[in-house]
Amino acid sequence: GQNIDQPTEMTATEGAIVQINCTYQTSGFNGLFWYQQHAGEAPTFLSYNVLDGLEEKGRFSSFLSRSKGYSYLLLKELQMKDSASYLCAVSDSNYQLIWGAGTKLIIKP
Amino acid sequence: GAVVSQHPSRVICKSGTSVKIECRSLDFQATTMFWYRQFPKQSLMLMATSNEGSKATYEQGVEKDKFLINHASLTLSTLTVTSAHPEDSSFYICSARDHGTGGDNEQFFGPGTRLTVL
Repeated sequence: GQNIDQPTEMTATEGAIVQINCTYQTSGFNGLFWYQQHAGEAPTFLSYNVLDGLEEKGRFSSFLSRSKGYSYLLLKELQMKDSASYLCAVSDSNYQLIWGAGTKLIIKP
Repeated sequence: GAVVSQHPSRVICKSGTSVKIECRSLDFQATTMFWYRQFPKQSLMLMATSNEGSKATYEQGVEKDKFLINHASLTLSTLTVTSAHPEDSSFYICSARDHGTGGDNEQFFGPGTRLTVL
């Protein structure tokens, strides 16, 4: 079956760095997405990886290892507004998104 | 980036009535649109994939006669919840894929519709 695993909840301190991991097993692979979702709102796109390596975009970076079925989202210089759920999603062989359950990130002052 | 709108953003209805939710791609043509449902503190659950001009493909366990999907044009898909019941109360989110860009297959999300059935 298809499976996406990510931690349920993480806590970090304002100004610090946090890494959210995601492992996946899917039928086919056409890229991995990270989305941010604030409570009561729809997800917003953060990053897309289809090749191995690190993609950096401002304070956020995303890494992918296809051979290991592994990705992480790295958030630097954490701000209180970064408190949200972070969803990992893999595009499978049919280009459908398989979603992880999301990681709730709590930022403390 | 591409913009997807949903209407209404919030709706409260009585049990037994039907509710229509619209999803529009505002600045691109969306051959494929997706309808998701999300329960509190849970991830998105794909309900159906909607292709312009053809019947929607429903995920296992989703009643197609209850959740009617119409993708009449390249910029509009509608989801109608028929004979709504309190257990249908949820956050419904649509997304659209911009096939015109080629390259990656990013889905652009609408802002969601909060449905409450009394």
